[in-house]
Amino acid sequence: AQSVAQPEDQVNVAEGNPLTVKCTYSVSGNPYLFWYVQYPNRGLQFLLKYITGDNLVKGSYGFEAEFNKSQTSFHLKKPSALVSDSALYFCAVRRVNSGGYQKVTFGTGTKLQVIP
Amino acid sequence: GAVVSQHPSRVICKSGTSVKIECRSLDFQATTMFWYRQFPKQSLMLMATSNEGSKATYEQGVEKDKFLINHASLTLSTLTVASAHPEDSSFYICSASVPLTESSYNSPLHFGNGTRLTVT
Repeated sequence: AQSVAQPEDQVNVAEGNPLTVKCTYSVSGNPYLFWYVQYPNRGLQFLLKYITGDNLVKGSYGFEAEFNKSQTSFHLKKPSALVSDSALYFCAVRRVNSGGYQKVTFGTGTKLQVIP
Repeated sequence: GAVVSQHPSRVICKSGTSVKIECRSLDFQATTMFWYRQFPKQSLMLMATSNEGSKATYEQGVEKDKFLINHASLTLSTLTVASAHPEDSSFYICSASVPLTESSYNSPLHFGNGTRLTVT
């Protein structure tokens, strides 16, 4: 079984301040972890992914995520928030079995509101 | 690269009619496509996983006779909402995956822009 938890429904941050969107996961085997962003009435866009060996992953639009194996976390971060970062953010984990069948599980999403 | 086109972007229909939503991978072959329904409180619900040339695998609680999924080619999957009712009104999103190998297990899913279905 696998699961993803995003404990915060909404995160508010002032423009220019650092932001963190939290994600913890549970999966057997190697974790394949992703962050996606969704703007209103649109599909999800890929932000970044965890690559084995690099605990700090850099992605699009200045976002980065820190993988912590002991805490099974993959928190999304950005040093300085922009109003245009306001959107819905999803963390996801993928598991692939020996037959190549994949299952991707998403967190419940966190709405990020950047206040001017 | 890796563009997924979903059509239509929005549809309004009367109760009892059927609605077809198309999901196309434009520049890659998608062996697996996923269909999601997104509820107003933002969470994504996986409805089914479709693999090219085989029957879709539906998640528990999703009526396969109501939400008909066809993945006839490596670039096209369709979701048909049969005899739609107001409670089927929602935002439906498809995503596509490239064929997975050990070197591509961390390749991301690619999403369509979603379809807003309103049943009156």
